[in-house]
Amino acid sequence: RKEVEQDPGPFNVPEGATVAFNCTYSNSASQSFFWYRQDCRKEPKLLMSVYSSGNEDGRFTAQLNRASQYISLLIRDSKLSDSATYLCVVIGGSGGGADGLTFGKGTHLIIQP
Amino acid sequence: NAGVTQTPKFRVLKTGQSMTLLCAQDMNHEYMYWYRQDPGMGLRLIHYSVGEGTTAKGEVPDGYNVSRLKKQNFLLGLESAAPSQTSVYFCASSYVRVGEQYFGPGTRLTVT
Repeated sequence: RKEVEQDPGPFNVPEGATVAFNCTYSNSASQSFFWYRQDCRKEPKLLMSVYSSGNEDGRFTAQLNRASQYISLLIRDSKLSDSATYLCVVIGGSGGGADGLTFGKGTHLIIQP
Repeated sequence: NAGVTQTPKFRVLKTGQSMTLLCAQDMNHEYMYWYRQDPGMGLRLIHYSVGEGTTAKGEVPDGYNVSRLKKQNFLLGLESAAPSQTSVYFCASSYVRVGEQYFGPGTRLTVT
């Protein structure tokens, strides 16, 4: 099983709809989790951290399910500008340092007018 | 406040040539990272640094060297470029939390 897995998509979603995608991880000792977005031919940008209690930022909600070892990202009322690739980041290992950091390969989201 | 900058933005090398990629950050971040991103492979960590004068290997360090002589700069060197090193290279930095990284705009490197 790969360390961090994401459905590559693409997810084609009409504007205004709600979309959700997951990121599964294999290391049960993983400590920290994040979502990044990456626009085409641009650098990744931090979208939000994922806390054990969940995290909401406007139309975006991130959740962690430790029992099933996945994190999720929910986007409500999707906008055309939400079209991007969404990368999950999992930090595993006992130290929580960069040596335990893994990026998922990303989920490509396309919002259609 | 420029954030993270990378030099150059584009480069074409012939096999066997050497080059250095420069990353600079003006946020006083302790940690800096070099990644490569290839289609279908995602972002992979090459080397990283947890402070001035320190470096450590990431997931794919072979064929690369790094140096962090100044806190604000992190250099990535290719001593003898190979076509397999054709990629987009991203530099990033973070203050304390490893997962909260700020990325530079990337360097597109082609080795022929």
